[in-house]
Parts: sequence; structure tokens; C-alpha cells
Amino acid sequence: GENVEQHPSTLSVQEGDSAVIKCTYSDSASNYFPWYKQELGKGPQLIIDIRSNVGEKKDQRIAVTLNKTAKHFSLHITETQPEDSAVYFCAATYTDKLIFGTGTRLQVFP
Amino acid sequence: ETGVTQTPRHLVMGMTNKKSLKCEQHLGHNAMYWYKQSAKKPLELMFVYNFKEQTENNSVPSRFSPECPNSSHLFLHLHTLQPEDSALYLCASSQDYWGVNSPLHFGNGTRLTVT
Repeated sequence: GENVEQHPSTLSVQEGDSAVIKCTYSDSASNYFPWYKQELGKGPQLIIDIRSNVGEKKDQRIAVTLNKTAKHFSLHITETQPEDSAVYFCAATYTDKLIFGTGTRLQVFP
Repeated sequence: ETGVTQTPRHLVMGMTNKKSLKCEQHLGHNAMYWYKQSAKKPLELMFVYNFKEQTENNSVPSRFSPECPNSSHLFLHLHTLQPEDSALYLCASSQDYWGVNSPLHFGNGTRLTVT
């Protein structure tokens, strides 16, 4: 069945350091991989996404990489800031549906 | 402002009550979704509507009843809920069905507590 595993469940970094969150998916036909950021008291917001025909995508301090052979993709945040503190969710398509990971709580300490 | 507005933000209800959650999107999207978010669990898809037609019911108990009167409004009617139904209920919309080519836009959710 469909499954998206996300690690780690919590991540603490010092301001200015980098943060990496990894997800693994099970369906080799998955072709769309969005990342969502959920701040306290708010709904998830799309921050970046990648399609299966691309290996890497960057948007300022965030980047996503995709390894189709290994069926995993990662979110990279560089030069972290306190406002990056939130819960991050990865997702992958499965028969056109979006399956979400369990989330990573990122804390950035000043 | 997310473009997707959910009311109420918080709701406490007894197991015998009947209440409704409301979602409104101002984005001109055609598809709308209900998700359940519980602690330490993945987001659980409940219902999907595309052009006001329900296209998905993800084995949700009948005590949850969705309604989509038009493409901009989505309701979730609740009755005789159980304590394990306590969770954050999120509404989302997308331009096209399933958002693979158009991302999901989420509201800020309704925090439901069943006592």
C-alpha cells in the first residue's frame, strides 16, 4: 500500500546552521513531491515542490532533491532562522492522490 | 489570509451534539477536501469534492457527513461523535482535481474537542 516515511520526527538546530529532512516513498510511479510548512495555529502551506523529471529545485534558502532510484527525497534549509521553526510535511503522489508523511518538528534556536 | 477560511476555529461538543464545520475558499478553485490531523499521525484524507460532486469518501464513519452546495463552500456535519474524533480538521482546495498540477491550499483548521 501507499506509504511515505519521514525522518527525523524532531530536529533542533542553531540559527545559521542547515537542516535536512528526508522522506522515502513506496510507489515507483509517484511523480509529484510537495513540501508543506505548518506554523503553530495555522494550516499547512506549500513551500516548494518537485516533479519526477527534475533532480533538484531551489528557492532562496530552501531546496529539494529527488533520488528516483532510491525512492527518496529531501528538504534542505540553509542559514536557518527562528521563523523557520515549524512542522514540515513531505508528500508524494499515489495513484493521483497525495500521501503525507508524519511530519518533522523543526526548532531553530537563536 | 490563506484564501481558505474555516469556522469555527475551536469547537467543543458533547457526544450527543450535532454541529457543523464550515469552509469557504476565495480562490476560484474547483476541488475541495476535508482532512483530519491527529497528533503524530499523517494527514488523513476524509472527503474530496470536484465541481461540487463528491469523488472520494475515504472509509469515513457515517457520523461525519460532508456537504458541498457550490464550488466555494464545503461543510462537515458532525453528530454523535466519539472522543477519538477529537482532532484538527483541515479544509483544502485546489484549482484542479487532486492538485498534482495545482497545489493544495489549506485553511487554518477547526480544533475539535469531543467530551
